[in-house]
Amino acid sequence: AQKVTQAQTEISVVEKEDVTLDCVYETRDTTYYLFWYKQPPSGELVFLIRRNSFDEQNEISGRYSWNFQKSTSSFNFTITASQVVDSAVYFCALSEAEWDTGFQKLVFGTGTRLLVSP
Amino acid sequence: DTAVSQTPKYLVTQMGNDKSIKCEQNLGHDTMYWYKQDSKKFLKIMFSYNNKELIINETVPNRFSPKSPDKAHLNLHINSLELGDSAVYFCASSRGLALDYEQYFGPGTRLTVT
Repeated sequence: AQKVTQAQTEISVVEKEDVTLDCVYETRDTTYYLFWYKQPPSGELVFLIRRNSFDEQNEISGRYSWNFQKSTSSFNFTITASQVVDSAVYFCALSEAEWDTGFQKLVFGTGTRLLVSP
Repeated sequence: DTAVSQTPKYLVTQMGNDKSIKCEQNLGHDTMYWYKQDSKKFLKIMFSYNNKELIINETVPNRFSPKSPDKAHLNLHINSLELGDSAVYFCASSRGLALDYEQYFGPGTRLTVT
């Protein structure tokens, strides 16, 4: 079963539109962390945010905001007033303990490609 | 200064060859990883090392052998390359193995096997 689901394969918007990228996760652990990474066309992966399972406060950083809801196992990412430079593939990831070592294992969703046109 | 670097950036080779990808991090991190990203952008962990010790081996074929000569380096050697090995390989590092440590990724190595 998919542990991290990003149902939107690709989203196209016009500059200045708001856009929300969905992420639904699955875990039996009570302690876990969720991450968002950005992969621009240049290819590198850039860390955006981390959220722990005990903190359901929404977070805002400039035009970016994240909504974490444990009740629906979702960690959605909204970009307000999108810009062309936001065009990238965005990955949601779940950090949970590996079953036999207890150490971190990062499981990525399949990514959402965001295309922002001028 | 690049935090996590990989060489080469591109690698084109024929089936059956043996190749290596090098990774270095200058962040002072204890933990390093190798990931494989396929043509559909699916990103999956292959290995993780902590203080030069193998922690996770995610059912990767024996043809893939990581080597960590020190904490700052984690190289990936691939024997008898196959067409299905074509992918982008990312090295990453983190402060340690705790769940909350974010991982810093290298620029990736695009491997093409012909």
